[in-house]
Amino acid sequence: GAGVSQSPSNKVTEKGKDVELRCDPISGHTALYWYRQSLGQGLEFLIYFQGNSAPDKSGLPSDRFSAERTGGSVSTLTIQRTQQEDSAVYLCASSFMGASYEQYFGPGTRLTVT
Amino acid sequence: DQQVKQNSPSLSVQEGRISILNCDYTNSMFDYFLWYKKYPAEGPTFLISISSIKDKNEDGRFTVFLNKSAKHLSLHIVPSQPGDSAVYFCAATYAQAGTALIFGKGTTLSVSS
Repeated sequence: GAGVSQSPSNKVTEKGKDVELRCDPISGHTALYWYRQSLGQGLEFLIYFQGNSAPDKSGLPSDRFSAERTGGSVSTLTIQRTQQEDSAVYLCASSFMGASYEQYFGPGTRLTVT
Repeated sequence: DQQVKQNSPSLSVQEGRISILNCDYTNSMFDYFLWYKKYPAEGPTFLISISSIKDKNEDGRFTVFLNKSAKHLSLHIVPSQPGDSAVYFCAATYAQAGTALIFGKGTTLSVSS
């Protein structure tokens, strides 16, 4: 089956604009995660969705960041009033719940804020 | 403060030799560790994992060793192949389902033929 897909693959935006990044998880995966990787850094956790439970937003760096997951499937990460420090690769991952801790990642969206 | 550290940003190895990638962690509550491999312009792909109740896990050319007392794990690739050239990330998590992975900054492995 298809893996995790993300769109767009690249996004260039001006400082102060809002952006939306989309993630389509693997069908049947109930857990969905957003991470970001800034230049020279590891992957930084942003937010986690599991089924109909309230999301774990503990990794969101500021209130300009928000995410939603509709129908337990597709997720959108929104960044309002983008800043240059938001430039990074935003990665989405999904997984089954249960004993496996393996997360399956999409190719990422490279966001550049000019 | 970084909870998962990969202190070597890069490693160069000749084809056929062993590659050893190292990872240290500070949180003794971690109980599951994973290695991911990442090629440019692609997302990370799962490589191998180990539970904290084990000290070794092997899968083909890849072996992960865990030393809990030293809070250290390592990934051994034998024999190394040019196609192994990628960025390798060490990650740690807790046993409860749904917790996020905590990643190191990665080590870039270059395998020359």
